[in-house]
Amino acid sequence: EPEVTQTPSHQVTQMGQEVILRCVPISNHLYFYWYRQILGQKVEFLVSFYNNEISEKSEIFDDQFSVERPDGSNFTLKIRSTKLEDSAMYFCASKRREAKNIQYFGAGTRLSVL
Amino acid sequence: AQSVSQHNHHVILSEAASLELGCNYSYGGTVNLFWYVQYPGQHLQLLLKYFSGDPLVKGIKGFEAEFIKSKFSFNLRKPSVQWSDTAEYFCAVLPSSGAGSYQLTFGKGTKLSVIP
Repeated sequence: EPEVTQTPSHQVTQMGQEVILRCVPISNHLYFYWYRQILGQKVEFLVSFYNNEISEKSEIFDDQFSVERPDGSNFTLKIRSTKLEDSAMYFCASKRREAKNIQYFGAGTRLSVL
Repeated sequence: AQSVSQHNHHVILSEAASLELGCNYSYGGTVNLFWYVQYPGQHLQLLLKYFSGDPLVKGIKGFEAEFIKSKFSFNLRKPSVQWSDTAEYFCAVLPSSGAGSYQLTFGKGTKLSVIP
């Protein structure tokens, strides 16, 4: 069964550094998402991406965040200057156009900002 | 905006015990409802979903959930849990009216520990 793949599984960075979290969605999927879960809190929506542009984003997704689909297979989330409060588990998800709202998730990347 | 509440943070059961995990949502319109499960170190997997029709939905691994519209609830059940059900369970809601909004709203999750 195809899966959404996320790398790395754990990323440790210093405050102020840029990080790029990588995701390989399922190959025939057209909608892509990032969510995050701060320890002990809810999984929160960050951004959705379709047809090479952001279709929706939450208040969390400020100017420090950006997403890109650089090569037709990868889907990346960049945080330009990390803050302590960016420490969280980041989940990527993807969906087929016909899938009637079923999103498939990766295992997540745990980001630790020191 | 919609929200989801999961009543239990951590549930500990012995094998063969019955399970019920609570989930309530708030949203004024029609919704799609989901339960996802995350086994340790693995991705979030769809356990079951409700879109319309029979409010009692059956999912994988013997799980089922009942949508009670009047209570805004979508509780997850399993008659007899196994040690392999140890995982974190997330309830999620998605407004079914669409309008381009495909973001899932999740509950905080319930950690289930099954003792052999």
